[in-house]
Amino acid sequence: SQQGEEDPQALSIQEGENATMNCSYKTSINNLQWYRQNSGRGLVHLILIRSNEREKHSGRLRVTLDTSKKSSSLLITASRAADTASYFCATDDQAGTALIFGKGTTLSVSS
Amino acid sequence: DAGVTQSPTHLIKTRGQQVTLRCSPKSGHDTVSWYQQALGQGPQFIFQYYEEEERQRGNFPDRFSGHQFPNYSSELNVNALLLGDSALYLCASSWEENTEAFFGQGTRLTVV
Repeated sequence: SQQGEEDPQALSIQEGENATMNCSYKTSINNLQWYRQNSGRGLVHLILIRSNEREKHSGRLRVTLDTSKKSSSLLITASRAADTASYFCATDDQAGTALIFGKGTTLSVSS
Repeated sequence: DAGVTQSPTHLIKTRGQQVTLRCSPKSGHDTVSWYQQALGQGPQFIFQYYEEEERQRGNFPDRFSGHQFPNYSSELNVNALLLGDSALYLCASSWEENTEAFFGQGTRLTVV
């Protein structure tokens, strides 16, 4: 069953602009993770935010979590062409074992 | 640290055949999970192995089976391949629940 839903499905921006992607989920979670995938290759782990955290930063990435709304957002500041990829949010299932992914947001950054 | 490694990177099989995919976890990780990613979709959980046993299984038929070895590496076996099994198969490792899962580059399986 699908837990996370990313929005928008696709996003096109210019280099230097900020990119915001959103993720909504259905059931309570222990943590939420964001991943990047380049051209159908492996997933690169970006950041993990726990259910008791509201915001987390890593370099140009900022992730927020609102458990009352069951939603998270990923902000990439000052985007670069190399940020072009698909971005997925993943939540743990009720057993806390499996990761449940949405369909992802495809980000295209043009120079 | 080599991270999570998977082999082979690409594979072409015929319907009805069997396939084995391999995964070596990141150093220090003892838990291995397998995911199937169809084109344009997010990864779907197949199963997870911990202490050489299947700890949890997703909604996949018994044609999908796995194994974990004492060194924590793992194999995914798929029997009686169908065209619909064509996908990117991803292996992820972690060292306990509720921590970051690190993925390998995947094995692209094409069934013809």
